[in-house]
Amino acid sequence: SQTIHQWPATLVQPVGSPLSLECTVEGTSNPNLYWYRQAAGRGLQLLFYSVGIGQISSEVPQNLSASRPQDRQFILSSKKLLLSDSGFYLCAWSEAGFTEAFFGQGTRLTVV
Amino acid sequence: GQQLNQSPQSMFIQEGEDVSMNCTSSSIFNTWLWYKQDPGEGPVLLIALYKAGELTSNGRLTAQFGITRKDSFLNISASIPSDVGIYFCAGQLTDMRFGAGTRLTVKP
Repeated sequence: SQTIHQWPATLVQPVGSPLSLECTVEGTSNPNLYWYRQAAGRGLQLLFYSVGIGQISSEVPQNLSASRPQDRQFILSSKKLLLSDSGFYLCAWSEAGFTEAFFGQGTRLTVV
Repeated sequence: GQQLNQSPQSMFIQEGEDVSMNCTSSSIFNTWLWYKQDPGEGPVLLIALYKAGELTSNGRLTAQFGITRKDSFLNISASIPSDVGIYFCAGQLTDMRFGAGTRLTVKP
């Protein structure tokens, strides 16, 4: 069966520090991969999605970037974190062709 | 872009009551999805809808894909305390977009 792993679960980082969040999927090939951010008490904002290795679509201009170095690995990065980057970051995957998506457990990021 | 309007924002109901929430959009979608999120967790898929007009049930949950492909609703019958959480609709076309969520509180 397919599983999705996202880590770390929580992270506290100072302003201006770099960020790297990792997400991996097992049990499938060529999945669509997504990064979402959820502010406290709010909905899910799509940040990036990818339909294949090296193919990244960005939804909102920001100081975050995403990379997909391997088929089932999706990385969210920042060179310098801002206070406004705090939030709950969720990775998700779906089969190619855009069927239902399944989420990881999320990373709670607090920028201080 | 594709925007989803989900309502109501929150609901406070008595255990045993039925619940109804819906999502509308100015854009059409190929797939409608309903998720539930518990605090500090990732959303969990409840129901997926693939065809306009489709009506699908999952236990006490029933969801429909609107004929126009621009809306969907979710009903929960005979609510119980563990139904508490945030419910999200999501629509898929070129990617997957979410509504703002409906926060459900169930009073025993």
